[in-house]
Amino acid sequence: NAGVTQTPKFQVLKTGQSMTLQCAQDMNHNSMYWYRQDPGMGLRLIYYSASEGTTDKGEVPNGYNVSRLNKREFSLRLESAAPSQTSVYFCASSRRTADNSYEQYFGPGTRLTVT
Amino acid sequence: QQQVKQSPQSLIVQKGGISIINCAYENTAFDYFPWYQQFPGKGPALLIAIRPDVSEKKEGRFTISFNKSAKQFSLHIMDSQPGDSATYFCAASMKGGGNKLTFGTGTQLKVEL
Repeated sequence: NAGVTQTPKFQVLKTGQSMTLQCAQDMNHNSMYWYRQDPGMGLRLIYYSASEGTTDKGEVPNGYNVSRLNKREFSLRLESAAPSQTSVYFCASSRRTADNSYEQYFGPGTRLTVT
Repeated sequence: QQQVKQSPQSLIVQKGGISIINCAYENTAFDYFPWYQQFPGKGPALLIAIRPDVSEKKEGRFTISFNKSAKQFSLHIMDSQPGDSATYFCAASMKGGGNKLTFGTGTQLKVEL
């Protein structure tokens, strides 16, 4: 059981380049999320997918697009990278608990630098 | 717009002492309050969580205290150990909110020998 996996672990891009961050989970969770983590700002939600076939914007969606490819996979695309997108990106998935809470499980992160 | 405010930003505690991290929220629709622990180079991991119908929840050395009227909740780490040195995040979510978490800005805890 690998949990939530992310690729790549590290990436350096030049301004204007594009790339896709990959995320997969093997826990059969319905909901998946993309966050970015910046120093002093905690984690901020970029996009989420409540279930296969649906996606919705989070707090900081500008400059990003997502695809929920199937129940397991949720990718994040930067079409034209900017230095402001230098960050650590985390993917997460969640399961519903007995009391209707949603516990989120995080991947190991992708450290992205845009020069 | 900071909906969950966390303090302190950093904390140094002696081994065996009590670590206390505080969070305050504004949105009264929040009804689920988890704490996450993050080690350097790793993703956050769920530590403990509480709902507002209880005032305290304890799991081992970790306790959440919740004050609904003050809109505050805190994490207490008893008998703090060097292995507890990590960054801790509080978070909150609401029913019907798409299971989305709003995070605090984090507290970097260092437990010294």
